[in-house]
Amino acid sequence: DIVMTQSPDSLAVSLGERATISCKSSQSVLYSSKNKNYLAWYQQKLGQPPKLLIYWASTRESGVPDRFSGSGSGTDFTLTISSLQAEDVAVYYCQQYYSSPLTFGQGTKLEIK
Amino acid sequence: QAQLVQSGAEMKKPGSSVKVSCKASGGTLSSYAISWVRLAPGRGLEWMGGIIPVFGTTDYAQKFQGRVTITTDESTSTVYMELSSLRSEDTAVYFCARGNTMVRGVLSWFDPWGQGTLVTVSS
Repeated sequence: DIVMTQSPDSLAVSLGERATISCKSSQSVLYSSKNKNYLAWYQQKLGQPPKLLIYWASTRESGVPDRFSGSGSGTDFTLTISSLQAEDVAVYYCQQYYSSPLTFGQGTKLEIK
Repeated sequence: QAQLVQSGAEMKKPGSSVKVSCKASGGTLSSYAISWVRLAPGRGLEWMGGIIPVFGTTDYAQKFQGRVTITTDESTSTVYMELSSLRSEDTAVYFCARGNTMVRGVLSWFDPWGQGTLVTVSS
């Protein structure tokens, strides 16, 4: 199984500041023949199901604000929120869809400082 | 816009089974995959398995193999997840989620998700 490890486990950032979450996979999720990284990011607010933010490591889902961006390749990935808003308080998860079983990171709890 | 609507909360005894439904509204299941993911206290998100309704093909996580069965009723655009031999550690919120079969069959990102079904296992 591919193990997904996020850091940090929790993060407190001031409003308007940048938030950065890291996700590392235990093996590469880059499908070389397609040159695509099989990695997604989700946001889960309290009492709600997860919401897709990013897929293919850096493609923003329709309707997601452009302050959210994804980067990285192979085994190292980053989710960046460029200017934190109050509504961004949530738990964030990365997920690999390169191989079965699909696996998620343990989650990063983002709060306002 | 497609939505996934799940059945209500369940309270079960250890050793019993639970069957949770997931109905697609505003669209059909035919060209998508549906997976089941659970969120247990302190354990994060766990993928249990998925199905491509139009083919009936399934893929289960090894951890749940033999205990989970995912089926579909295309006539009602409903997918079911049955988990047997329940134990206290199965207490969790269970989500269904739609995957894009054009990625790698069942293997995909998920959008949208159902609202979640709380299953509580307690004697």
